[in-house]
Amino acid sequence: DGGITQSPKYLFRKEGQNVTLSCEQNLNHDAMYWYRQDPGQGLRLIYYSQIVNDFQKGDIAEGYSVSREKKESFPLTVTSAQKNPTAFYLCASSPGQGAGPLHFGNGTRLTVT
Amino acid sequence: EDQVTQSPEALRLQEGESSSLNCSYTVSGLRGLFWYRQDPGKGPEFLFTLYSAGEEKEKERLKATLTKKESFLHITAPKPEDSATYLCAVPSSSNTGKLIFGQGTTLQVKP
Repeated sequence: DGGITQSPKYLFRKEGQNVTLSCEQNLNHDAMYWYRQDPGQGLRLIYYSQIVNDFQKGDIAEGYSVSREKKESFPLTVTSAQKNPTAFYLCASSPGQGAGPLHFGNGTRLTVT
Repeated sequence: EDQVTQSPEALRLQEGESSSLNCSYTVSGLRGLFWYRQDPGKGPEFLFTLYSAGEEKEKERLKATLTKKESFLHITAPKPEDSATYLCAVPSSSNTGKLIFGQGTTLQVKP
């Protein structure tokens, strides 16, 4: 079955450590996205990529970094510069720019203490 | 500025008690409105796409409708398994493929 795989489901880190969240898709989609979800705030866009080796900042990119070396993969690094990293992180993909709804993975819940 | 607002924030219904969820949007040149269902600890699951005013889509007990300023998700005779958070989203007018999400309506259906 095609889909988006995010791993791990739960992640715990100490403050000051960088951490990388994995996102892999086998839908052959060109575009991939990272959203952050906090209670009462809805989904906010962190970074997105419309093509391999290219990506753009979203609304809340500070303290995060991404890479897009392969079409299937779009890992997100939460750096120590991110002030409030504890959140639920969602990866999504779509066939291309503006091409219909996003398909989401099942998320990674990151807790930083 | 693109904006999506959902109401109410939370809704509690008895099983079989029909109701509607609202999604108001402000975007230049609507290129679709999407409804999602999200269960706790899971990613959003796509339900419907609506493209033009007057359009309706149905799936089991859910029916989505669209006007020029808002969309409604009607839930007819809900069951406890319909309990979830319902999100609506519209593509950004900047044509980046980015979706603007509302904050969601959390629905609880009691038996």
